[in-house]
Amino acid sequence: KAGVTQTPRYLIKTRGQQVTLSCSPISGHRSVSWYQQTPGQGLQFLFEYFSETQRNKGNFPGRFSGRQFSNSRSEMNVSTLELGDSALYLCASSLDKGTGTGELFFGEGSRLTVL
Amino acid sequence: QKEVEQNSGPLSVPEGAIASLNCTYSDRGSQSFFWYRQYSGKSPELIMSIYSNGDKEDGRFTAQLNKASQYVSLLIRDSQPSDSATYLCAVARDNEKLTFGTGTRLTIIP
Repeated sequence: KAGVTQTPRYLIKTRGQQVTLSCSPISGHRSVSWYQQTPGQGLQFLFEYFSETQRNKGNFPGRFSGRQFSNSRSEMNVSTLELGDSALYLCASSLDKGTGTGELFFGEGSRLTVL
Repeated sequence: QKEVEQNSGPLSVPEGAIASLNCTYSDRGSQSFFWYRQYSGKSPELIMSIYSNGDKEDGRFTAQLNKASQYVSLLIRDSQPSDSATYLCAVARDNEKLTFGTGTRLTIIP
């Protein structure tokens, strides 16, 4: 069974540009969550999507957005990049049987460097 | 007060000994509790989940939950060098975001 797939794995952008990251969840998983990981802040929750709807949202500015498609694949977008956006962006999927917060399975991440 | 607190370490444990990792959380409404292991340069990997008070054992790993004290712990028996990693505690209310601690770096000394 294939795991969570994230693309691209590495990317370099300059300030002011925008970036789109993609995530394909484990087959059958309906929930996709996005996290930002930095050495100083650890894992910070961005948002969660379930059945194409944003179910939970973290405390990030509106420059960070996401969406989920009918096949559960998800994308996140960061506009007007800032130096502080340099981080590892992790996508995680969950089976989510509707009985509570499910176990998250993470992809390898997309490492973004903003110059 | 942080929502999920862990001692950042590093925690050094001799090979073959028991490693004890601790985590406290602030939200009394939390229902789901998880331990993740993250090797350097890799993504977090789920190793244990626990939902009820008490102990849950899986191989060399035991998770302990005490909701009254808002405390979760992970014991690793017969520690191996391959257990050297950062261990992340994560907590959530039902159907809400999973909140992570900043992790405890564990080093197993051969």
